[in-house]
Amino acid sequence: AQKVTQAQTEISVVEKEDVTLDCVYETRDTTYYLFWYKQPPSGELVFLIRRNSFDEQNEISGRYSWNFQKSTSSFNFTITASQVVDSAVYFCALSPPGANNLFFGTGTRLTIIP
Amino acid sequence: DSGVTQTPKHLITATGQRVTLRCSPRSGDLSVYWYQQSLDQGLQFLIQYYNGEERAKGNILERFSAQQFPDLHSELNLSSLELGDSALYFCASRREVTGNEKLFFGSGTQLSVL
Repeated sequence: AQKVTQAQTEISVVEKEDVTLDCVYETRDTTYYLFWYKQPPSGELVFLIRRNSFDEQNEISGRYSWNFQKSTSSFNFTITASQVVDSAVYFCALSPPGANNLFFGTGTRLTIIP
Repeated sequence: DSGVTQTPKHLITATGQRVTLRCSPRSGDLSVYWYQQSLDQGLQFLIQYYNGEERAKGNILERFSAQQFPDLHSELNLSSLELGDSALYFCASRREVTGNEKLFFGSGTQLSVL
């Protein structure tokens, strides 16, 4: 069975602080893909990143970085020097091979306080 | 802009009624997904169509049905509506039927059942 857990329901930080969003997943598959999506207040779901389970290198994109650790089944997302525009709900998702859909976590609502 | 178009953006109706949500996938995408996002359930996969055929079912109620037409647009029909059906309904698309390509999401239809 596939499961994605985002234990942090809501996080609030002051602007310019760093913040890490946790994602823990469960799967029996040895190959799979992991995703992060952002849902800003406007409501649409915006793709952020896709990571292959064979690639454990951390990835950095501007102020965003992702830490994938297969040993702990975690795929955490860090925002450095947070900005008000980062306020959104962030979803982690898992896609096993051959699966028809993505399995989403329940999301973390991030609020950046100016 | 993801290229996925959903109409209408907002829908207000009464219990017991029937509504139809419409989705046009990205150009070239054969696979269409429907998700329901409610406050207590997060993002729930409802159903997937690929090139006109149903390919996967998730937590879709019997009162709900969907179809994908020859021009690849899809409709989600919700009948005998209940208060608990109030949610944000997303359509998503991608080229593959399975696999690990990311999903492109529309901006959603906010359904309010009064």
